[in-house]
Amino acid sequence: AQRVTQPEKLLSVFKGAPVELKCNYSYSGSPELFWYVQYSRQRLQLLLRHISRESIKGFTADLNKGETSFHLKKPFAQEEDSAMYYCALLNPGQNFVFGPGTRLSVLP
Amino acid sequence: DAGITQSPRHKVTETGTPVTLRCHQTENHRYMYWYRQDPGHGLRLIHYSYGVKDTDKGEVSDGYSVSRSKTEDFLLTLESATSSQTSVYFCATTGAWGSEQYFGPGTRLTVT
Repeated sequence: AQRVTQPEKLLSVFKGAPVELKCNYSYSGSPELFWYVQYSRQRLQLLLRHISRESIKGFTADLNKGETSFHLKKPFAQEEDSAMYYCALLNPGQNFVFGPGTRLSVLP
Repeated sequence: DAGITQSPRHKVTETGTPVTLRCHQTENHRYMYWYRQDPGHGLRLIHYSYGVKDTDKGEVSDGYSVSRSKTEDFLLTLESATSSQTSVYFCATTGAWGSEQYFGPGTRLTVT
């Protein structure tokens, strides 16, 4: 079965420090992977997806099939990055599988 | 926001009562989903729809039913609410396979 794990429930970093939000998945095929973000009092929104290879708000994520990981990284965290981050996998049945989420807190 | 609204936004109900949550979208998206969001579990899929009158179960469908009689509306019903169904419920839509999911604002349901 497809599964997404995010080992950290809470990650606190200081402003300007690098941040890495970990995501690992289990899937037998070629995965479509996404990062969604939920800022305080806002709805979930797409941050980035691996096939687009974009950098959004300074965040990047590389798919590592060998390690089955899709970690989210940003070299210099900002206070406005504080939010809940969800890693998600899309399976061929058109169902997204979400990880449990990591709450990022960027301290001043 | 893909024109997705949810109603009600907040509801408190008693154990054993029926509850219906509504998701409405204006983008003519084919696929619609209901999730529940709980601490430590993230988002878990309850039911989804791939067209009018075409629905299927998700990961945590027990105690829930859905209906989709029109493209724009997807209803989630708790036939007899239980305290374990206290949660935040999100509706989402996608227009095509593999595309971004758009989420509604959520409904906070409390079952006392």
